[in-house]
Amino acid sequence: TQLLEQSPQFLSIQEGENLTVYCNSSSVFSSLQWYRQEPGEGPVLLVTVVTGGEVKKLKRLTFQFGDARKDSSLHITAAQTGDTGLYLCAGALIQGAQKLVFGQGTRLTINP
Amino acid sequence: EAGVVQSPRYKIIEKKQPVAFWCNPISGHNTLYWYLQNLGQGPELLIRYENEEAVDDSQLPKDRFSAERLKGVDSTLKIQPAELGDSAVYLCASSLFSGAYNEQFFGPGTRLTVL
Repeated sequence: TQLLEQSPQFLSIQEGENLTVYCNSSSVFSSLQWYRQEPGEGPVLLVTVVTGGEVKKLKRLTFQFGDARKDSSLHITAAQTGDTGLYLCAGALIQGAQKLVFGQGTRLTINP
Repeated sequence: EAGVVQSPRYKIIEKKQPVAFWCNPISGHNTLYWYLQNLGQGPELLIRYENEEAVDDSQLPKDRFSAERLKGVDSTLKIQPAELGDSAVYLCASSLFSGAYNEQFFGPGTRLTVL
């Protein structure tokens, strides 16, 4: 059983479309991170959210942490082919915890 | 600043053979992690070091896996003997414990294929 459930597991859309991927749990997290992983590479940190209800923007990417700190979403506006990759959410159950729990990932494909 | 370095990038071995992976973390990072990642899945923690001490190895299959981090810098993960089910990507990550948020930096991984 995954502590963090990501949905959808696979998403394939056309360039220019918008999309949202989700990361859900029944547990409360102290902080949550989103990573992007490209084939043959390790995950790269995109953002860390720490406050319930927090919204962070990174160019065309908008990240939101749920009010109860049990879920998060990643919204991409006007997707580009360079956004293709595996998006992973990872959470820390305790503030300052050195252990992260990872979701299974959403594999995103942006078609030209 | 150099990132996390792992070698080899790829390894193909026959089952029952031993294999070792090496990781050099970002300079100054005191925490080092080894993860296993199956295709299309998220990383799963195998072992976490704080300096030279293994502080979380609960998910490490100790009958065949071993790891060390001598001098608290680079680390080696070993499998002996390898099984078919060990085929996966082995990721190393490091972080600087700041007491706030754990932001981990990953290496490119070693893709292991066991035949």
